[in-house]
Amino acid sequence: DVKVTQSSRYLVKRTGEKVFLECVQDMDHENMFWYRQDPGLGLRLIYFSYDVKMKEKGDIPEGYSVSREKKERFSLILESTSTNQTSMYLCASVGGDARNTGELFFGEGSRLTVL
Amino acid sequence: QKEVEQNSGPLSVPEGAIASLNCTYSDRGSQSFFWYRQYSGKSPELIMSIYSNGDKEDGRFTAQLNKASQYVSLLIRDSQPSDSATYLCAFPTHQAGTALIFGKGTTLSVSS
Repeated sequence: DVKVTQSSRYLVKRTGEKVFLECVQDMDHENMFWYRQDPGLGLRLIYFSYDVKMKEKGDIPEGYSVSREKKERFSLILESTSTNQTSMYLCASVGGDARNTGELFFGEGSRLTVL
Repeated sequence: QKEVEQNSGPLSVPEGAIASLNCTYSDRGSQSFFWYRQYSGKSPELIMSIYSNGDKEDGRFTAQLNKASQYVSLLIRDSQPSDSATYLCAFPTHQAGTALIFGKGTTLSVSS
């Protein structure tokens, strides 16, 4: 089974603190994604990566950056958190072209609360 | 910006009934569409994919695609309480690399 592991399940931070969310997949997938999920707003794409050191902005990249130094690892960085970044963050990966398979494998999520 | 619209619900049906979930999308060039199911407190999982106009059946689930009208639907026959979840439609976006964008989801409640 594909496993996507998010290192932190629950975090509580204060405004202005730096947050580093890490995601690791064990299936040699090329494509990895970061989404955030909020009630009434659904899943929104923050960033994605289709190869090591390659990244693309999603629909809501402001306030976030990403890093992909190794194929299996995709990190989401919040340099200076704000309360509007309180959310559930979901990492996902897919092997090959998502247009063909559509099967994203999601991690269990990281719930971030910014006070 | 490509968009996908779903009625957030909640949609309530009795056990054994047919549940109908709908999704409209803005990008006429979209070629593939996906339905995900998300149980409360869990992550989304793919349940259906559809690529051509018409119906695609998988057990109690039928996905329907109408590209001319730009909508995709999911029918769940003989609904069970275990079908109670949020259903999200998704389709590919972005030309450089690929990603999926998701609708906001429709919450389905099946009462026994």
